[in-house]
Amino acid sequence: DIQMTQSPSSLSASVGDRVTITCRTSQNIYRSVNWYQQKPGKAPKLLIYAALTLQSGVPSRFSGSESGTEFTLTISSLQPEDFATYYCQQCYTTPVCTFGQGTKLEIK
Amino acid sequence: EVQLVESGGGLVQPGGSLRLSCAVSGFNFSNYWMTWVRQAPGTGLEWVANIRQDGDEKYYVDSVRGRFAISRDNAKNSLYLHMTSLRDEDTAVYFCARDFCGADCFGYFDYWGQGILVAVSS
Repeated sequence: DIQMTQSPSSLSASVGDRVTITCRTSQNIYRSVNWYQQKPGKAPKLLIYAALTLQSGVPSRFSGSESGTEFTLTISSLQPEDFATYYCQQCYTTPVCTFGQGTKLEIK
Repeated sequence: EVQLVESGGGLVQPGGSLRLSCAVSGFNFSNYWMTWVRQAPGTGLEWVANIRQDGDEKYYVDSVRGRFAISRDNAKNSLYLHMTSLRDEDTAVYFCARDFCGADCFGYFDYWGQGILVAVSS
């Protein structure tokens, strides 16, 4: 089984801050990682797929990167609407995909 | 406009059954894998099951295999999740989503329904 470890589990930041969220995997899974944003009471929203590719309509302040078994979601300048919970997802074991534990991003 | 609308949720007793439906519009339903994802109260996302375009290939998370059945009706643009032998731990909001390519590539879930609550309690 592929283990995914998402960190941090929560994060406090201010509008305008640069924020990074990381998922580490137990083995090399190439670029089969996606990132989602979820606001309370809403469905998740796809932000980044295949580790690097910005989903259509998603602001360019969101970006993804990968280095071996470490995958990172970066928000370059936090906006008020970005405070939410973020999840990574691996689909290397497709068609079975699993999610990370989530990172709750709160206003400082 | 792409829309996925779940229905069929509600309160059910342990050991009971329920069938969720997901009505899809705005894309060619028969061309895509589809998936169910759930979220227990206050917790993270858990993938539950998915199904190939023709309905002949299906996958389940271990905790529901043998109790839940995913199906689809391409003529009706609808996805289903038939849940039996329900347990307290199945209490969750259930989302249907489009699985961009399923087993055909390293996929992702690009369109989601709003979710429907299933509560298992006596």
